[in-house]
Amino acid sequence: DTGVSQNPRHKITKRGQNVTFRCDPISEHNRLYWYRQTLGQGPEFLTYFQNEAQLEKSRLLSDRFSAERPKGSFSTLEIQRTEQGDSAMYLCASSSGGLLRNTDTQYFGPGTRLTVL
Amino acid sequence: AQTVTQSQPEMSVQEAETVTLSCTYDTSESNYYLFWYKQPPSRQMILVIRQEAYKQQNATENRFSVNFQKAAKSFSLKISDSQLGDTAMYFCAFIPGGIGGGSNYKLTFGKGTLLTVNP
Repeated sequence: DTGVSQNPRHKITKRGQNVTFRCDPISEHNRLYWYRQTLGQGPEFLTYFQNEAQLEKSRLLSDRFSAERPKGSFSTLEIQRTEQGDSAMYLCASSSGGLLRNTDTQYFGPGTRLTVL
Repeated sequence: AQTVTQSQPEMSVQEAETVTLSCTYDTSESNYYLFWYKQPPSRQMILVIRQEAYKQQNATENRFSVNFQKAAKSFSLKISDSQLGDTAMYFCAFIPGGIGGGSNYKLTFGKGTLLTVNP
């Protein structure tokens, strides 16, 4: 299966600790997205990469959050000094953005569920 | 700013019957895509169906079809011959930009409708 993969699937941490999540997009996709989903809500956009360039960051992404996509392949999302309010499912998606009409559909990974104690 | 509203937090249907999930949206964009995603319990989100706003014909994918009313900004999902495996949270989502390029990177989701298919 060559879908979007995310690791770890679950992460439990104590408040104040740093955590890092990884996302591997579908190999031919040049766009990568991070979303956050809290219980009972739809996913909310966090950030977006076109190849290795981070082109958009949501106001939801505080200074404690940082995302990278070195070499335009996998991406990492780091949360520093975690807070209980960071507890959520973090979803990664990828797409082959471009000029073709059949692009723009985002395919999601299984997510990383973060619990901050 | 775009908004997506799903007014039915929960719905249930008997196996083999038909159910319709509602979605309305608000936007000033003329070109955009609309999506229905399915998120089964503890499983990843998968695309159910996609509609391009410039197409008048409603999209269909096997048992899934949409009723897209552009003027009314309505985008409902009909599931025919419901199956137990259709039990999931269903999210309606919007993305601007339409035909290639542009700002078509940020999906805006509704809060979802939890559909339960009963045997």
